[in-house]
Amino acid sequence: GAGVSQSPRYKVAKRGQDVALRCDPISGHVSLFWYQQALGQGPEFLTYFQNEAQLDKSGLPSDRFFAERPEGSVSTLKIQRTQQEDSAVYLCASSLAGVGETQYFGPGTRLLVL
Amino acid sequence: QKEVEQNSGPLSVPEGAIASLNCTYSDRGSQSFFWYRQYSGKSPELIMSIYSNGDKEDGRFTAQLNKASQYVSLLIRDSQPSDSATYLCAVEGMRFGAGTRLTVKP
Repeated sequence: GAGVSQSPRYKVAKRGQDVALRCDPISGHVSLFWYQQALGQGPEFLTYFQNEAQLDKSGLPSDRFFAERPEGSVSTLKIQRTQQEDSAVYLCASSLAGVGETQYFGPGTRLLVL
Repeated sequence: QKEVEQNSGPLSVPEGAIASLNCTYSDRGSQSFFWYRQYSGKSPELIMSIYSNGDKEDGRFTAQLNKASQYVSLLIRDSQPSDSATYLCAVEGMRFGAGTRLTVKP
Protein backbone atom coordinates (compact mmCIF):
# COMPACT_ATOMS: atom_id res chain seq x y z
CA GLY A 1 0.00 0.00 0.00
CA ALA A 2 1.00 3.65 -0.27
CA GLY A 3 3.20 5.09 2.41
CA VAL A 4 3.23 8.58 3.86
CA SER A 5 3.64 11.22 1.20
CA GLN A 6 4.72 14.82 1.56
CA SER A 7 4.74 17.77 -0.77
CA PRO A 8 6.56 19.68 -1.92
CA ARG A 9 9.78 17.70 -1.54
CA TYR A 10 11.85 20.87 -1.78
CA LYS A 11 10.90 24.44 -1.07
CA VAL A 12 12.99 27.59 -1.37
CA ALA A 13 11.47 30.63 0.28
CA LYS A 14 12.60 34.19 0.70
CA ARG A 15 12.78 35.39 4.28
CA GLY A 16 9.39 36.71 5.29
CA GLN A 17 7.38 34.51 2.93
CA ASP A 18 4.69 32.13 4.15
CA VAL A 19 4.97 28.45 3.28
CA ALA A 20 2.59 25.49 3.51
CA LEU A 21 3.77 21.91 3.72
CA ARG A 22 1.42 19.03 3.10
CA CYS A 23 1.35 15.53 4.53
CA ASP A 24 -0.76 12.60 3.36
CA PRO A 25 -0.64 9.85 6.00
CA ILE A 26 -1.15 6.15 5.46
CA SER A 27 -4.84 5.47 4.95
CA GLY A 28 -6.53 4.55 8.21
CA HIS A 29 -3.78 5.85 10.44
CA VAL A 30 -5.25 7.75 13.33
CA SER A 31 -2.18 9.62 14.53
CA LEU A 32 -0.06 12.11 12.63
CA PHE A 33 3.15 13.76 13.76
CA TRP A 34 5.26 16.64 12.48
CA TYR A 35 8.99 16.91 13.16
CA GLN A 36 11.73 19.35 12.29
CA GLN A 37 15.15 17.91 11.56
CA ALA A 38 18.19 20.13 11.32
CA LEU A 39 21.34 18.86 9.65
CA GLY A 40 23.16 16.35 11.83
CA GLN A 41 20.42 16.29 14.46
CA GLY A 42 17.61 13.96 15.34
CA PRO A 43 13.99 14.82 14.55
CA GLU A 44 12.54 17.41 16.93
CA PHE A 45 8.88 16.97 17.76
CA LEU A 46 6.61 19.80 16.64
CA THR A 47 3.02 18.64 16.99
CA TYR A 48 0.73 15.60 17.11
CA PHE A 49 -2.81 14.93 15.93
CA GLN A 50 -5.17 12.14 16.77
CA ASN A 51 -7.76 12.25 14.00
CA GLU A 52 -8.58 15.95 13.64
CA ALA A 53 -7.70 16.85 17.23
CA GLN A 54 -4.36 18.50 17.85
CA LEU A 55 -3.42 16.85 21.12
CA ASP A 56 0.05 18.26 21.57
CA LYS A 57 1.61 21.33 20.00
CA SER A 58 4.26 21.88 22.63
CA GLY A 59 7.09 21.57 20.11
CA LEU A 60 6.01 24.37 17.81
CA PRO A 61 8.87 26.86 18.15
CA SER A 62 6.83 30.03 17.79
CA ASP A 63 3.41 31.36 16.92
CA ARG A 64 4.60 31.57 13.32
CA PHE A 65 4.09 27.81 13.11
CA PHE A 66 0.60 26.45 12.70
CA ALA A 67 -0.66 22.97 11.85
CA GLU A 68 -4.06 21.60 11.01
CA ARG A 69 -5.73 18.35 10.08
CA PRO A 70 -9.34 19.39 9.54
CA GLU A 71 -10.79 16.09 8.33
CA GLY A 72 -8.54 13.74 10.21
CA SER A 73 -6.47 12.70 7.21
CA VAL A 74 -4.31 15.20 5.27
CA SER A 75 -2.39 17.68 7.39
CA THR A 76 -0.80 21.01 6.58
CA LEU A 77 2.04 22.67 8.44
CA LYS A 78 2.14 26.39 7.82
CA ILE A 79 5.05 28.64 8.62
CA GLN A 80 4.40 32.35 8.47
CA ARG A 81 7.05 35.02 7.90
CA THR A 82 9.80 32.44 7.41
CA GLN A 83 13.19 33.06 8.97
CA GLN A 84 16.57 31.59 8.05
CA GLU A 85 16.55 29.46 11.20
CA ASP A 86 13.44 27.70 9.85
CA SER A 87 15.62 26.02 7.21
CA ALA A 88 15.43 22.30 7.92
CA VAL A 89 13.81 19.08 6.78
CA TYR A 90 10.21 18.80 7.93
CA LEU A 91 9.18 15.20 8.48
CA CYS A 92 5.68 13.89 8.78
CA ALA A 93 4.90 10.50 10.30
CA SER A 94 1.74 8.53 10.94
CA SER A 95 0.85 5.65 13.20
CA LEU A 96 -2.08 3.32 13.39
CA ALA A 97 -3.09 4.40 16.87
CA GLY A 98 -1.26 6.54 19.42
CA VAL A 99 2.17 7.74 20.46
CA GLY A 100 3.36 4.33 21.64
CA GLU A 101 2.99 2.80 18.20
CA THR A 102 5.44 2.49 15.36
CA GLN A 103 5.59 5.63 13.27
CA TYR A 104 6.01 5.54 9.51
CA PHE A 105 7.79 8.51 8.08
CA GLY A 106 7.28 10.37 4.84
CA PRO A 107 10.21 11.45 2.67
CA GLY A 108 10.27 14.93 4.19
CA THR A 109 10.16 18.44 2.82
CA ARG A 110 13.48 20.20 2.65
CA LEU A 111 12.91 23.90 3.31
CA LEU A 112 15.58 26.48 2.55
CA VAL A 113 14.93 30.06 3.60
CA LEU A 114 17.16 32.63 1.92
CA GLN B 1 20.06 17.78 29.98
CA LYS B 2 18.33 16.49 26.87
CA GLU B 3 15.47 14.06 27.35
CA VAL B 4 17.10 11.42 25.15
CA GLU B 5 20.87 11.14 24.95
CA GLN B 6 22.89 9.11 22.49
CA ASN B 7 26.61 8.81 21.89
CA SER B 8 27.08 11.13 18.94
CA GLY B 9 29.80 9.00 17.43
CA PRO B 10 30.84 8.50 14.81
CA LEU B 11 31.20 4.82 15.57
CA SER B 12 33.35 2.78 13.24
CA VAL B 13 33.48 -1.01 13.26
CA PRO B 14 34.96 -3.55 10.84
CA GLU B 15 32.69 -5.73 8.76
CA GLY B 16 31.53 -8.75 10.72
CA ALA B 17 31.98 -7.12 14.12
CA ILE B 18 29.32 -6.27 16.70
CA ALA B 19 28.19 -2.65 16.79
CA SER B 20 26.82 -1.41 20.11
CA LEU B 21 24.64 1.69 20.24
CA ASN B 22 23.49 3.25 23.48
CA CYS B 23 20.71 5.54 24.58
CA THR B 24 19.66 7.00 27.94
CA TYR B 25 16.45 8.84 28.74
CA SER B 26 15.29 11.12 31.51
CA ASP B 27 11.56 10.38 31.89
CA ARG B 28 11.32 7.41 34.26
CA GLY B 29 7.69 6.85 33.29
CA SER B 30 8.47 6.13 29.63
CA GLN B 31 6.97 2.90 28.34
CA SER B 32 7.81 2.57 24.66
CA PHE B 33 11.18 2.67 22.95
CA PHE B 34 12.16 2.55 19.32
CA TRP B 35 15.28 2.29 17.22
CA TYR B 36 15.20 3.84 13.77
CA ARG B 37 17.81 3.79 11.03
CA GLN B 38 18.29 6.82 8.81
CA TYR B 39 20.40 6.74 5.69
CA SER B 40 21.85 10.04 4.53
CA GLY B 41 19.20 12.12 2.82
CA LYS B 42 16.43 9.65 3.66
CA SER B 43 13.74 9.48 6.31
CA PRO B 44 13.94 7.30 9.42
CA GLU B 45 12.78 3.70 9.17
CA LEU B 46 11.95 1.45 12.08
CA ILE B 47 14.38 -1.29 13.11
CA MET B 48 12.86 -2.42 16.38
CA SER B 49 10.51 -1.48 19.15
CA ILE B 50 10.81 -2.63 22.75
CA TYR B 51 8.43 -2.19 25.65
CA SER B 52 9.58 -4.62 28.37
CA ASN B 53 12.79 -4.96 30.32
CA GLY B 54 15.25 -7.43 28.85
CA ASP B 55 16.36 -8.36 25.38
CA LYS B 56 14.44 -8.52 22.13
CA GLU B 57 16.06 -10.13 19.12
CA ASP B 58 15.20 -9.76 15.45
CA GLY B 59 17.69 -11.29 13.05
CA ARG B 60 21.05 -9.59 13.50
CA PHE B 61 19.56 -6.92 15.76
CA THR B 62 19.06 -7.11 19.53
CA ALA B 63 17.46 -4.35 21.56
CA GLN B 64 18.06 -4.25 25.29
CA LEU B 65 15.97 -2.27 27.77
CA ASN B 66 16.68 -1.52 31.42
CA LYS B 67 14.00 0.77 32.81
CA ALA B 68 15.61 0.97 36.25
CA SER B 69 18.75 2.41 34.69
CA GLN B 70 16.76 4.32 32.04
CA TYR B 71 18.89 2.79 29.37
CA VAL B 72 18.18 1.19 26.02
CA SER B 73 20.70 -0.21 23.59
CA LEU B 74 20.90 -1.76 20.15
CA LEU B 75 23.39 -4.44 19.19
CA ILE B 76 24.07 -5.23 15.55
CA ARG B 77 25.78 -8.55 15.02
CA ASP B 78 27.80 -9.43 11.92
CA SER B 79 27.80 -5.78 10.86
CA GLN B 80 27.64 -5.14 7.13
CA PRO B 81 28.67 -2.08 5.12
CA SER B 82 24.98 -1.64 4.32
CA ASP B 83 24.38 -1.02 8.04
CA SER B 84 26.31 2.25 7.73
CA ALA B 85 23.75 4.88 8.70
CA THR B 86 22.63 7.08 11.57
CA TYR B 87 20.75 5.22 14.30
CA LEU B 88 18.08 7.13 16.18
CA CYS B 89 16.70 6.22 19.58
CA ALA B 90 13.11 7.36 20.20
CA VAL B 91 11.27 7.32 23.52
CA GLU B 92 7.48 7.31 23.66
CA GLY B 93 7.64 7.66 19.89
CA MET B 94 8.05 11.41 19.88
CA ARG B 95 11.31 12.20 21.65
CA PHE B 96 14.37 11.43 19.59
CA GLY B 97 18.03 11.46 20.40
CA ALA B 98 20.50 13.22 18.13
CA GLY B 99 21.51 9.91 16.60
CA THR B 100 24.72 7.90 16.38
CA ARG B 101 26.45 7.67 13.04
CA LEU B 102 27.72 4.17 12.36
CA THR B 103 30.27 3.30 9.70
CA VAL B 104 30.99 -0.35 8.91
CA LYS B 105 34.28 -0.71 7.07
CA PRO B 106 34.73 -3.57 4.58
